[in-house]
Amino acid sequence: RKEVEQDPGPFNVPEGATVAFNCTYSNSASQSFFWYRQDCRKEPKLLMSVYSSGNEDGRFTAQLNRASQYISLLIRDSKLSDSATYLCVVNTLNTGKLIFGQGTTLQVKP
Amino acid sequence: DGGITQSPKYLFRKEGQNVTLSCEQNLNHDAMYWYRQDPGQGLRLIYYSHIVNDFQKGDIAEGYSVSREKKESFPLTVTSAQKNPTAFYLCASSPSRQGTQYFGPGTRLLVL
Repeated sequence: RKEVEQDPGPFNVPEGATVAFNCTYSNSASQSFFWYRQDCRKEPKLLMSVYSSGNEDGRFTAQLNRASQYISLLIRDSKLSDSATYLCVVNTLNTGKLIFGQGTTLQVKP
Repeated sequence: DGGITQSPKYLFRKEGQNVTLSCEQNLNHDAMYWYRQDPGQGLRLIYYSHIVNDFQKGDIAEGYSVSREKKESFPLTVTSAQKNPTAFYLCASSPSRQGTQYFGPGTRLLVL
């Protein structure tokens, strides 16, 4: 079993749609959680950290369920510019060793 | 103009050749990391360093070597022992081991 698993994708959605990505992690000792965005042939960039109480940044909402070891990212009112690969990332025991999911690709179409 | 720089953007390696990828940061970050990304896969950790003059192997260190003689620099050498070096190499830095990691633009290594 992979340490961090994401929905396989790709997700193809029309502009304005709401889309949700899911991610599960295997190590219950995991401490920090993140969503990164990666554009084609570019480096990953931090989208948002994920906090236990859930957090929102504009159209983006992240949720964490420690009991189920599950993280989600909700994107509302999708824009063409949201097209990218979204990486679920976990830091276990604050070691600084990030574990990356394989990513979920989103394609927003006009 | 602060940030993380990597060079070169593209690098070609001949069989049996060692090559070195550069990573420099002027963010005063203590921690630095090297990852490898293969097509359609997540990032895998090669080496990391939480402090100058100290570094640790990651999950796929075989065939690679690093040094951390200066806080701002963390070069990665891909040796001839790495049999499948073609990949996208990403360097990251963080204020501390618990901090958020920020990535450089990456180096694409191709074998001729």
